Amino acid sequence: AQKVTQAQTEISVVEKEDVTLDCVYETRDTTYYLFWYKQPPSGELVFLIRRNSFDEQNEISGRYSWNFQKSTSSFNFTITASQVVDSAVYFCALSEARETSGSRLTFGEGTQLTVNP
Amino acid sequence: KAGVTQTPRYLIKTRGQQVTLSCSPISGHRSVSWYQQTPGQGLQFLFEYFSETQRNKGNFPGRFSGRQFSNSRSEMNVSTLELGDSALYLCASSFGHQNTEAFFGQGTRLTVV
Repeated sequence: AQKVTQAQTEISVVEKEDVTLDCVYETRDTTYYLFWYKQPPSGELVFLIRRNSFDEQNEISGRYSWNFQKSTSSFNFTITASQVVDSAVYFCALSEARETSGSRLTFGEGTQLTVNP
Repeated sequence: KAGVTQTPRYLIKTRGQQVTLSCSPISGHRSVSWYQQTPGQGLQFLFEYFSETQRNKGNFPGRFSGRQFSNSRSEMNVSTLELGDSALYLCASSFGHQNTEAFFGQGTRLTVV
């Protein structure tokens, strides 16, 4: 069975600080996909990134960066120079590549990030 | 390009009633998935429809059902509502059936009293 764990329930930082959100996953499959979503107070889950299990190259997109390490089953997300608008709940999710899984996402518990001015 | 549209946004129902929620996916997307979000259980997968066929189902009782129409619009139905069904119901739209990015609507907030 697949599982995603986000051990940090809440994180509070001051604007311009860097913050890293941790994600650890479990799966028996060798091919899978990892995602990060952001949920602002409006409720809509906003897609941030998707990575497949064969691509461990880390990625930077503006103030966002992701660190995928298969050896430790982790897919961490860093926001550099945080801003108040980054305040939201962030979810890490896993999707297995088998036919029966379809587009099914298994989500972590979420991390509430609060960026204070 | 319009995003995923869910209606209604808010709903209050009484125990024992039934409810139907609607989701219009992004134009061209053929996969629609439904999720339930509660403070206690988090985000849980309900089911996925692709080309009008249910392709995957989560661990929910038979009171939860859904369908997809030929235009990819989807509805989910919950019968004999219980207090525990109070939740945010989110619909996700994907182009393909597997592992493509899912784009979510703003959800329907259902309150059962």
